[in-house]
Amino acid sequence: QVQLQESGPGLVKSSETLSLICSVSGGSIRGYYWSWIRQTPGKGLEWIGYIYSSGNTIYNPSLMSRVTISVDMAKNQFSLQLNSVSAADTAVYYCARHARPRGFWFDPWGQGTLVTVSS
Amino acid sequence: SYVLTQPPSVSVAPGQTATITCGGNDIGRKSVHWYQQKPGQAPVLVLHDDSDRPSGIPERFSGSNSGNTATLTISRVEAGDEADYSCQVWDSNVDHYVFGPGTKFTVL
Repeated sequence: QVQLQESGPGLVKSSETLSLICSVSGGSIRGYYWSWIRQTPGKGLEWIGYIYSSGNTIYNPSLMSRVTISVDMAKNQFSLQLNSVSAADTAVYYCARHARPRGFWFDPWGQGTLVTVSS
Repeated sequence: SYVLTQPPSVSVAPGQTATITCGGNDIGRKSVHWYQQKPGQAPVLVLHDDSDRPSGIPERFSGSNSGNTATLTISRVEAGDEADYSCQVWDSNVDHYVFGPGTKFTVL
């Protein structure tokens, strides 16, 4: 049973870089697509971007200029960097595995980690 | 970009049937996936490809998709079904994933 776990600082200063890691256990990161998704307080889910295990990435256009997703096959983990953060980036950040190519949904998800941007 | 709409809230009494809609332009041509999210927890997939249930999801959860509206139906509603429900599609034109704004489902 694949499990995902997000980790990283819970507090980031405005204008700095948010960095999170998603550790995958119970299965290999190889051959799958992996996404970062966030949820701002009281709001809906927002897809940030995905990476395939080969390193190919696709990002949400609304965040593309500030986002980098990378993969570390040796550590079986992938990461998120979001530059120049502001209060609007305060959210719970989730990592999730795609069902792709079987389908285009997300399962499973990590438990999520709250990142607060402070001024 | 593709936009999904959902009602902000839906309420139903226990034992009744609930319907939560997800609107989008010609959404019937897309596969719609539904997630349940309880307070403080991560989303859980309850339906994929419009109406397929993952292992462990009760048969009370069903779905349909046609025209401009996809629907999640919860039959014989139980108190434990109370949660936020979000729909999601894949926009194949740009290889992006889109979520609906979510519906807060309350059991009266």
